[in-house]
Amino acid sequence: SQQGEEDPQALSIQEGENATMNCSYKTSINNLQWYRQNSGRGLVHLILIRSNEREKHSGRLRVTLDTSKKSSSLLITASRAADTASYFCATSTGGGNKLTFGTGTQLKVEL
Amino acid sequence: EPEVTQTPSHQVTQMGQEVILRCVPISNHLYFYWYRQILGQKVEFLVSFYNNEISEKSEIFDDQFSVERPDGSNFTLKIRSTKLEDSAMYFCASSGEGPGTGELFFGEGSRLTVL
Repeated sequence: SQQGEEDPQALSIQEGENATMNCSYKTSINNLQWYRQNSGRGLVHLILIRSNEREKHSGRLRVTLDTSKKSSSLLITASRAADTASYFCATSTGGGNKLTFGTGTQLKVEL
Repeated sequence: EPEVTQTPSHQVTQMGQEVILRCVPISNHLYFYWYRQILGQKVEFLVSFYNNEISEKSEIFDDQFSVERPDGSNFTLKIRSTKLEDSAMYFCASSGEGPGTGELFFGEGSRLTVL
């Protein structure tokens, strides 16, 4: 598998429900970031969690990181139709400058 | 709020033509990046740029690609002789923090269509 794979690939929920997306990676990381992309638009940074952190909150977002399992999860609570988008995890590794993006989860929140 | 701006938003070109995509990063940022996203696929790293030189590049960034910061504000990606497989959305990003430490701010992208 590749560095940064999300599951599920697609998720459809009702407004008000929680959405959980998972990301797995293969190599040691400096940090892991989550980005959101509306269809045809640019990427918007949501949250960054460093390798020595286990959980982070930002508004309705909660991110966890388990470095022993090389996995992260993004929880969006009380979802809204406006949360409909693709969500990508991205990892920063070693001394490099780049982010390696995952395959993304397409979230659809229905009214 | 400061933002990264990219032009053009969409460019259609013939195979073999040269294309220049332009980006204006956030003004006090020092690290600049180009990524691309082929339709329906993941976002792929192309190149990072710091202190007026390339700091890292991917296998995709071959001799047909070049980057430049000609005037201290613009950051350009040039594709010398476009191929059909260069059709993609190209994203510019900038960061105020060093590698591995901070978030990237992305532009809205330039969609390149090679015919």
